[in-house]
Amino acid sequence: QQQVKQSPQSLIVQKGGIPIINCAYENTAFDYFPWYQQFPGKGPALLIAIRPDVSEKKEGRFTISFNKSAKQFSLHIMDSQPGDSATYFCAASQETSGSRLTFGEGTQLTVNP
Amino acid sequence: SAVISQKPSRDICQRGTSLTIQCQVDSQVTMMFWYRQQPGQSLTLIATANQGSEATYESGFVIDKFPISRPNLTFSTLTVSNMSPEDSSIYLCSVVFLGQYYGYTFGSGTRLTVV
Repeated sequence: QQQVKQSPQSLIVQKGGIPIINCAYENTAFDYFPWYQQFPGKGPALLIAIRPDVSEKKEGRFTISFNKSAKQFSLHIMDSQPGDSATYFCAASQETSGSRLTFGEGTQLTVNP
Repeated sequence: SAVISQKPSRDICQRGTSLTIQCQVDSQVTMMFWYRQQPGQSLTLIATANQGSEATYESGFVIDKFPISRPNLTFSTLTVSNMSPEDSSIYLCSVVFLGQYYGYTFGSGTRLTVV
């Protein structure tokens, strides 16, 4: 069974803090690792994605760190804002086969003003 | 990325009835997927909708319960049949673009409540 383990389940930070969400995967054939942001009543929206040939990727305030040997990747949100309060999902897939995404369990992030 | 229109956005249905959810994409896509998201949970793949052939179902999901159609490269439907309260979930359509613009896009979902 392909699995992606995500932690923590929930996270509360103050405005300006740097929440970090971690994911670990088992299948070494995975080669595409996206993060999705989901607000209540909405579908997941792609936030940022990384491939295993790089160890870090930044887009605005969002950074993915990737550790291929440990089979782990994490999302960092710099200067977090109350508007970042949402549920975040990591995922993984095997691009070469066009396979479906395998999702982590999700992290509910609350950023207090 | 694609724009996905999903209908209905929400519905409240009686036990034992069926609901058909529509997914319309603004461009042709090779692969379309249907996911279920139970309250407070992550997304679980129901099936891959194949154009011109039967859908490919994941373990725990069967065609009699979740029949899927995909008549062309921009449209698919998912039917939730003989519903019970346990079917109350958000159902999401997703598409993937291969190649240079590889990535997955999701519709806004259909929030189903079965009473």
